[in-house]
Amino acid sequence: EAGVAQSPRYKIIEKRQSVAFWCNPISGHATLYWYQQILGQGPKLLIQFQNNGVVDDSQLPKDRFSAERLKGVDSTLKIQPAKLEDSAVYLCASSLVSVGELFFGEGSRLTVL
Amino acid sequence: AQRVTQPEKLLSVFKGAPVELKCNYSYSGSPELFWYVQYSRQRLQLLLRHISRESIKGFTADLNKGETSFHLKKPFAQEEDSAMYYCALHAGGTSYGKLTFGQGTILTVHP
Repeated sequence: EAGVAQSPRYKIIEKRQSVAFWCNPISGHATLYWYQQILGQGPKLLIQFQNNGVVDDSQLPKDRFSAERLKGVDSTLKIQPAKLEDSAVYLCASSLVSVGELFFGEGSRLTVL
Repeated sequence: AQRVTQPEKLLSVFKGAPVELKCNYSYSGSPELFWYVQYSRQRLQLLLRHISRESIKGFTADLNKGETSFHLKKPFAQEEDSAMYYCALHAGGTSYGKLTFGQGTILTVHP
């Protein structure tokens, strides 16, 4: 079974630039999550999709972050403009049901200079 | 609001020694608790969940609602147990409650 795919694996940008991350969940998984993991901290949920609808985006900085889930499958997370404090690993995860085991991707490491 | 606390950032033990990774939570409802693990150069993955009440790789964890704890235990640590461990809480009773992670504990098992 193919796992959760994420790209790019690494990205370095300057502050005020924009960046986009892509995630392809495991086939058939209805729930998709984006987590932000800052160095030394646990993952923090940014946004949770159920199919193509948002069910939780309470911790998403909506002035600069946006996310969408196209046709209930792939998802993109965008940051515009980036700040230094956005440097982190962005983890995508999916689950078959909303209370089930989460399967994580390898993450996209963002460095903002 | 739900909160997960892992008081130890680092934990070192010798091979064959018992190990206990602590996890405390705060949540007013009925939670589901999980332990996730990340081995070196691997993805974050589920280790065990309290409702399964099973032992995985020799690890067990018991939910203590009185002490609001979900400590992870193994009687005899192995070198391959060295990894980052995260305790996580799902707000039970809701359909779409989010999974909240603790800060994580790095376990190092010395030969």
